[in-house]
Amino acid sequence: GESVGLHLPTLSVQEGDNSIINCAYSNSASDYFIWYKQESGKGPQFIIDIRSNMDKRQGQRVTVLLNKTVKHLSLQIAATQPGDSAVYFCAEMRSARQLTFGSGTQLTVLP
Amino acid sequence: GAGVSQSPSNKVTEKGKDVELRCDPISGHTALYWYRQSLGQGLEFLIYFQGNSAPDKSGLPSDRFSAERTGGSVSTLTIQRTQQEDSAVYLCASSLQRGRLTEAFFGQGTRLTVV
Repeated sequence: GESVGLHLPTLSVQEGDNSIINCAYSNSASDYFIWYKQESGKGPQFIIDIRSNMDKRQGQRVTVLLNKTVKHLSLQIAATQPGDSAVYFCAEMRSARQLTFGSGTQLTVLP
Repeated sequence: GAGVSQSPSNKVTEKGKDVELRCDPISGHTALYWYRQSLGQGLEFLIYFQGNSAPDKSGLPSDRFSAERTGGSVSTLTIQRTQQEDSAVYLCASSLQRGRLTEAFFGQGTRLTVV
């Protein structure tokens, strides 16, 4: 069946290092992807999105890479900070009403 | 308010009881979504409201679940005869424009525990 999933459930990085969070999807028709950050006790917050006609998009300290050949996307966080500790979800949007989320990766930033 | 407000923030209920969860979207947002998040899981789509259109209920897991949105604003998610597997965080989001979920803002959720 269709799914959006994450490779690793947890990721620990040293403060100041770069973080890479990976996500695989199975629906080749997916054309829009979003990364959300969810801090403890809070709702998800939009980080960055990318459309299938792009393979890279950059934001402030974050970069999303999309590889449609292997149906994989990643979120790169530069110079990871303690405030980046959270659960990160990738999500696939196929329509306004169908935003499918992966299970999330817990990012822990070590001092 | 400035953001999406959900109430209650926590709800403990006995198995078999009915519960109502409330969502106050951001004023002027025409689209409203309900999602469910189980422990350690991603967000599961439940239902979507857009203006006066018929809601998309395709994500509701059973007929025990229902939702309404009155006056295009406040929404209530009702779970009848609650079961333990209904325990989860229920998240509401609203957005200004249909299809633009990137502009959606999530509430902090209602943590439902069925005992």
